[in-house]
Amino acid sequence: SQQGEEDPQALSIQEGENATMNCSYKTSINNLQWYRQNSGRGLVHLILIRSNEREKHSGRLRVTLDTSKKSSSLLITASRAADTASYFCATDASTGTYKYIFGTGTRLKVLA
Amino acid sequence: DTAVSQTPKYLVTQMGNDKSIKCEQNLGHDTMYWYKQDSKKFLKIMFSYNNKELIINETVPNRFSPKSPDKAHLNLHINSLELGDSAVYFCASSHRLRVRYNEQFFGPGTRLTVL
Repeated sequence: SQQGEEDPQALSIQEGENATMNCSYKTSINNLQWYRQNSGRGLVHLILIRSNEREKHSGRLRVTLDTSKKSSSLLITASRAADTASYFCATDASTGTYKYIFGTGTRLKVLA
Repeated sequence: DTAVSQTPKYLVTQMGNDKSIKCEQNLGHDTMYWYKQDSKKFLKIMFSYNNKELIINETVPNRFSPKSPDKAHLNLHINSLELGDSAVYFCASSHRLRVRYNEQFFGPGTRLTVL
């Protein structure tokens, strides 16, 4: 399947540190998106990176995409307690199925 | 001014019952989705509608039937509930189906518990 897989599954860091999580996928994609899910809430879109882009920034977020390795990373700099959440990558197949496959998620805990 | 809303937020019911979850979006989007998130947080797409037309139907038991009365609403009806149906169900919407770079907006989820 095209399921993305994030690693690590769980990450615990101190406030102010950087957090890096990775996503790997299996087939060619049009784009890759990262979402955040706070406990008991729905997912919130963070950033989208297109297949022809290698790096993208949004505030304290930095996303990279390596299509040759079929992988992406999400870096959160200067983390805050409010960044505590689960982070998911989602990919859409370039075959035009118009559906996104979500990864298994990384649970980030930022300690104050 | 909630973008994507779902009701109810919690649903506790007995095995064998029939229940419905409602979803509404006020974003003017054409496409709506239902996802199931299991206890391990794995999020799997179930259905997608575009302008009231079913376009994605994953291998979901026939007991699950989506209905889209208009493009702002996508309801999910579940017959003969089973223990394995216990999960959080999320509704989502996105602007337009054939736009390649589409972000999805998620509802708050409905936590279904089947006893």
